[in-house]
Amino acid sequence: GNSVTQMEGPVTLSEEAFLTINCTYTATGYPSLFWYVQYPGEGLQLLLKATKADDKGSNKGFEATYRKETTSFHLEKGSVQVSDSAVYFCALRGVFSGGYNKLIFGAGTRLAVHP
Amino acid sequence: GAGVSQTPSNKVTEKGKYVELRCDPISGHTALYWYRQSLGQGPEFLIYFQGTGAADDSGLPNDRFFAVRPEGSVSTLKIQRTERGDSAVYLCASSFRLADPTSTDTQYFGPGTRLTVL
Repeated sequence: GNSVTQMEGPVTLSEEAFLTINCTYTATGYPSLFWYVQYPGEGLQLLLKATKADDKGSNKGFEATYRKETTSFHLEKGSVQVSDSAVYFCALRGVFSGGYNKLIFGAGTRLAVHP
Repeated sequence: GAGVSQTPSNKVTEKGKYVELRCDPISGHTALYWYRQSLGQGPEFLIYFQGTGAADDSGLPNDRFFAVRPEGSVSTLKIQRTERGDSAVYLCASSFRLADPTSTDTQYFGPGTRLTVL
């Protein structure tokens, strides 16, 4: 079945450091891929998405590229801020019956950015 | 505009009791989803509604869990004979269009209801 694996946290960085959070997936066909973010005390918010191979999703300085050959969707940001401290979830939505009406999430990666 | 709202935000109950969790989706959203998030884990799918009907309830863990959406808007997740293992954050999400293979519609999540079973 479909699944998502993302790197374990917590990830601790200093402000302005480069961020990478790894995400790989297992799925049949070409799923849609998402990064959601959960800030402290808030609900899940969509950060970015990509719906086909080689697409790049971007938002708020974050980027992720849909790599079919490596089944990956790694999240990157060139210079993190303290306000980026949150839990980040990688997710996919399948393309076949029973798969496209649900999101499959990874376990989440907690990011802590210090001044 | 108003997002997805869920009530109550916190619910503490005793083992064996019955609970109801409510979700108000974004106005005009046709699709509604319930997920469950255990501590330290990502959300797990429970059930998907197309309008009033449950199109996919494959994620409900057992027959103690049931959900309704009688008028195609507000949904209620019902848990009978609660167990300590049911403790989690229950998330509701909605999207404008119904799910289909080509849909790129975004699911918008509510803040969740934290259920604690003592």
